[in-house]
Amino acid sequence: GESVGLHLPTLSVQEGDNSIINCAYSNSASDYFIWYKQESGKGPQFIIDIRSNMDKRQGQRVTVLLNKTVKHLSLQIAATQPGDSAVYFCAEIFTSGTYKYIFGTGTRLKVLA
Amino acid sequence: DGGITQSPKYLFRKEGQNVTLSCEQNLNHDAMYWYRQDPGQGLRLIYYSQIVNDFQKGDIAEGYSVSREKKESFPLTVTSAQKNPTAFYLCASSPLALEYGYTFGSGTRLTVV
Repeated sequence: GESVGLHLPTLSVQEGDNSIINCAYSNSASDYFIWYKQESGKGPQFIIDIRSNMDKRQGQRVTVLLNKTVKHLSLQIAATQPGDSAVYFCAEIFTSGTYKYIFGTGTRLKVLA
Repeated sequence: DGGITQSPKYLFRKEGQNVTLSCEQNLNHDAMYWYRQDPGQGLRLIYYSQIVNDFQKGDIAEGYSVSREKKESFPLTVTSAQKNPTAFYLCASSPLALEYGYTFGSGTRLTVV
C-alpha cells in the first residue's frame, strides 16, 4: 500500500544509471528465489527468478545474482527509468518437503530525473 | 484476461465489527493465500489453501478466518478479535508447484475508525 515504503531503506538513483538492490536471505536450504516489484497502492509483480543451482540470470534490463556462500541475492536494473520507482523485495522459497515462502522487507527505489 | 481480483480497494472498520475481504481468481490456480503487509515488515502469511474446502493457518492467523468453498474464491474475514487490523492485505494464488511464484491481487487497505 501507499505506506509500505515509508520505513524501508531507500536507494536513490539518477535516471539512466544502473541500480543495484540487495537482499540477504536466511536459509541455506532455500532453492528458489524471486524478485518482486511493488508500486504504490498495488500488489507485488514478479520480475525475475533464479534457482539455487544458478548464480546469475538475465532478463530484460534486469539481472539477478545469487551468492550462496554468503546467502546474498542482488537485483541489477540497467538504465533505470522513472517507471522503475517502486519497492523491491526478494522472496526465498523452499520447494522440497514442507514448503515455505519468506519475503524480505524490501528496498524503496527512487529514480531522480 | 486472467488475473486475481481483490475488493474493495479501501475498507473501513469500526471497533468490534467483522469485515470480509474478497479475493477471486480466474487463473485456475489450486493454491490461494492471504498476506498482511505492514510498514517496514515483510509480507506475513495469514492463511493459505491448497484445495477446495481445506485451508491452513499461517504465521499470524489469530483474529482472522477464511473459507474456500470454490476454487476461484478465498475470502478473508477480519474479526473483532484482531486487535490491530489496520494494514494492507494481499491475496495471492499459485499453481501447487511453487516454482512458478505467486500472482498477487492489487490489495485491500483496511483501516479501523
